[in-house]
Amino acid sequence: DSGVTQTPKHLITATGQRVTLRCSPRSGDLSVYWYQQSLDQGLQFLIQYYNGEERAKGNILERFSAQQFPDLHSELNLSSLELGDSALYFCASSAAGRQIGYTFGSGTRLTVV
Amino acid sequence: EDKVVQSPLSLVVHEGDTVTLNCSYEVTNFRSLLWYKQEKKAPTFLFMLTSSGIEKKSGRLSSILDKKELFSILNITATQTGDSAIYLCAVALQNTPLVFGKGTRLSVIA
Repeated sequence: DSGVTQTPKHLITATGQRVTLRCSPRSGDLSVYWYQQSLDQGLQFLIQYYNGEERAKGNILERFSAQQFPDLHSELNLSSLELGDSALYFCASSAAGRQIGYTFGSGTRLTVV
Repeated sequence: EDKVVQSPLSLVVHEGDTVTLNCSYEVTNFRSLLWYKQEKKAPTFLFMLTSSGIEKKSGRLSSILDKKELFSILNITATQTGDSAIYLCAVALQNTPLVFGKGTRLSVIA
């Protein structure tokens, strides 16, 4: 157990739907990062939050949004889902805004049918 | 655009073989290079390399960084079936999240 908790582990939903993925960072870590891993694309950075504030944004679609709550857990919202959104979504956390030393959660496998 | 390229993308070897995985990068404001191993799900940290020419070693795994030529290699000696995984290379830049390569999928067969 890495200390980073992601739920749910698996999610199957239909095109056009909206889902919410949840991440609880490791105790004491203030930064949360979201990554998408597709079969042929490797880990693509989506967005980072630090202590409740958005810190960095990657190639995140407008249909996707995220937030980090006062208790530091984070949610990634995916809407108007398309088949191409099927992927593994990872959350990682790190201490005090440092960009190295990430700890990854086990991921949420999203399948859009 | 910051870029991390890994090769080969996949590799099949027999137990006992030695393998070398490659990672090259073209980035600005380089800080360090990291290797991760991804088995079933979560990537797990292997090495962080900051200085050129200094080998990091852990058991049968070792890695080295060449900051002049902008690449790193990960060596695995006497491979075992438990080494089968995706090996991810990532680069840490100044003030931006890690940039990952696409990974090398290693399969070790008995």
